[in-house]
Amino acid sequence: AQSVTQLDSHVSVSEGTPVLLRCNYSSSYSPSLFWYVQHPNKGLQLLLKYTSAATLVKGINGFEAEFKKSETSFHLTKPSAHMSDAAEYFCVVITNTGGFKTIFGAGTRLFVKA
Amino acid sequence: SQTIHQWPATLVQPVGSPLSLECTVEGTSNPNLYWYRQAAGRGLQLLFYSVGIGQISSEVPQNLSASRPQDRQFILSSKKLLLSDSGFYLCAWSLDSSSGNTIYFGEGSWLTVV
Repeated sequence: AQSVTQLDSHVSVSEGTPVLLRCNYSSSYSPSLFWYVQHPNKGLQLLLKYTSAATLVKGINGFEAEFKKSETSFHLTKPSAHMSDAAEYFCVVITNTGGFKTIFGAGTRLFVKA
Repeated sequence: SQTIHQWPATLVQPVGSPLSLECTVEGTSNPNLYWYRQAAGRGLQLLFYSVGIGQISSEVPQNLSASRPQDRQFILSSKKLLLSDSGFYLCAWSLDSSSGNTIYFGEGSWLTVV
């Protein structure tokens, strides 16, 4: 069975400091992994995705994520947080082996302090 | 470029009343279409997806139904709303069901059942 675990429901950082949002997944198949961001009362915007190419994936707004198969992790990072990064972040697994499935993590709320 | 629109953005409906949320995609043909629900403080749950006109797959048993009367139109409906139907509903699309394809989301519709 597939699952996605976002290890922190809330993360708080100061502006200008690094961001780490953690995601672990479980999948019997080779999944595609995504990070989306959701600002309040808005839809989800794609940050980046991993689809079995380079394990280090660069996305928009300075975010990147590294796929580590041995650790079944896909953590999202950013070297320096900006106030506009404050939002909810979702790690997502999509598979289409044995039926189409989209599995969302519960989300991590990122707070950025001035 | 492709765009996705869903409406209304906000809806307050009494228990037992009908529901119709509409979604259209522009700039692409034969997209896969999805309806998700996001309950407060939780991740997204896939409700329905469609790979073509008149083809609807339901992921969870519920009080809602979906229809796809045209290639780029997806409608979420209910004959009689329940309090538990309240939530944030997101329409989305992708090129096909391969796992590597990005899912693009609309801006969402807030439904409050009172």
